[in-house]
Amino acid sequence: DAGVIQSPRHEVTEMGQEVTLRCKPISGHDYLFWYRQTMMRGLELLIYFNNNVPIDDSGMPEDRFSAKMPNASFSTLKIQPSEPRDSAVYFCASTLGQGNSPLHFGNGTRLTVT
Amino acid sequence: GQQVMQIPQYQHVQEGEDFTTYCNSSTTLSNIQWYKQRPGGHPVFLIQLVKSGEVKKQKRLTFQFGEAKKNSSLHITATQTTDVGTYFCAGPDRGSTLGRLYFGRGTQLTVWP
Repeated sequence: DAGVIQSPRHEVTEMGQEVTLRCKPISGHDYLFWYRQTMMRGLELLIYFNNNVPIDDSGMPEDRFSAKMPNASFSTLKIQPSEPRDSAVYFCASTLGQGNSPLHFGNGTRLTVT
Repeated sequence: GQQVMQIPQYQHVQEGEDFTTYCNSSTTLSNIQWYKQRPGGHPVFLIQLVKSGEVKKQKRLTFQFGEAKKNSSLHITATQTTDVGTYFCAGPDRGSTLGRLYFGRGTQLTVWP
């Protein structure tokens, strides 16, 4: 089991640029979550999917953020245009089924927007 | 909205001392989960508590779920340098079987050798 795979591990970009973060969940997991972690706000849920369908995107901060899950093995989180306040660690997590199963987190993408 | 509050935010202990972090929810939780995040790492699931008053142990770690299912604690006996990290509690949306998991702000544990 390779675990949840995220890429890139680090991303440094200039303000105004488009940023795309990628995630491959654990095979067979039907829930996928995107979290953002900052010192100021801790771990925030941005959006989650069930069977590739977005269920709750109320945590997405602005229209600049969008997420897709075109198939069961791939999801993207896009920020366009990026701003310095988007700098954070972005985690993808997946889990199997319902009943509050534990989350399996990826290693995260550390985003720095200058 | 639902909130999960966690205290203290930071804890510095000498190796061998005990450590406790507390978690409180504004609403009754169906269950509570605990995660550990090492510096520079990602949150890793430790345990889930479901029953009122439940107590679970993992070696030197003791987890408790309150009788009212609104609070929980994690106690580490005789800390070691390997215990360094941030400990998070997380609770689900009220009434949902799966949905938003509300994470506490975490307790960052530092252990001095």
